[in-house]
Amino acid sequence: QKEVEQNSGPLSVPEGAIASLNCTYSDRGSQSFFWYRQYSGKSPELIMSIYSNGDKEDGRFTAQLNKASQYVSLLIRDSQPSDSATYLCAPRVKRGNEKLTFGTGTRLTIIP
Amino acid sequence: ETGVTQSPTHLIKTRGQQVTLRCSSQSGHNTVSWYQQALGQGPQFIFQYYREEENGRGNFPPRFSGLQFPNYSSELNVNALELDDSALYLCVSASGGKETQYFGPGTRLLVL
Repeated sequence: QKEVEQNSGPLSVPEGAIASLNCTYSDRGSQSFFWYRQYSGKSPELIMSIYSNGDKEDGRFTAQLNKASQYVSLLIRDSQPSDSATYLCAPRVKRGNEKLTFGTGTRLTIIP
Repeated sequence: ETGVTQSPTHLIKTRGQQVTLRCSSQSGHNTVSWYQQALGQGPQFIFQYYREEENGRGNFPPRFSGLQFPNYSSELNVNALELDDSALYLCVSASGGKETQYFGPGTRLLVL
């Protein structure tokens, strides 16, 4: 079983619709969860972090965490063409160091 | 802009050569991590340095080595380059105990 699993996509969503990105993780010691956006040829950019079960909203983005199900998701409302990118899920276990464990990412394309 | 810089931005080497990549972390950040991101994959943790000491290592062979300097800048050295070392190398800086980690722009290495 992979440590972090994401649908690789590509996921195509019409402009203005809701994009839903999913991630499951295997390490129950994960305490912090991060979503990064990565444009082609660029480095990852942090867009959301979540630490507690439930929802966290920031503008058009909502992160959802369910630790019992070992599941974290990212919703993007009113999708824009500029949201087209690869989205990386990264849980973090705080055991001595603060390394991030990344999934392979989901490639999202917003169709105008 | 995250305040993390990396040099060089691009590099071409041949198999068997050695390479040194550099990272200047954000001011005040005493923790630096290095990640390797192969094409189509998520970043993989190489190692982390905290206050000039190695503080955790991922599943990479010893020919991957690093240093952190008193000003908290860092180097990643790779000896005996192999074709599979072709990747984007990412430096991430953080302030110990703080949640947010900041990615540099990356160095793209091509091994021929």
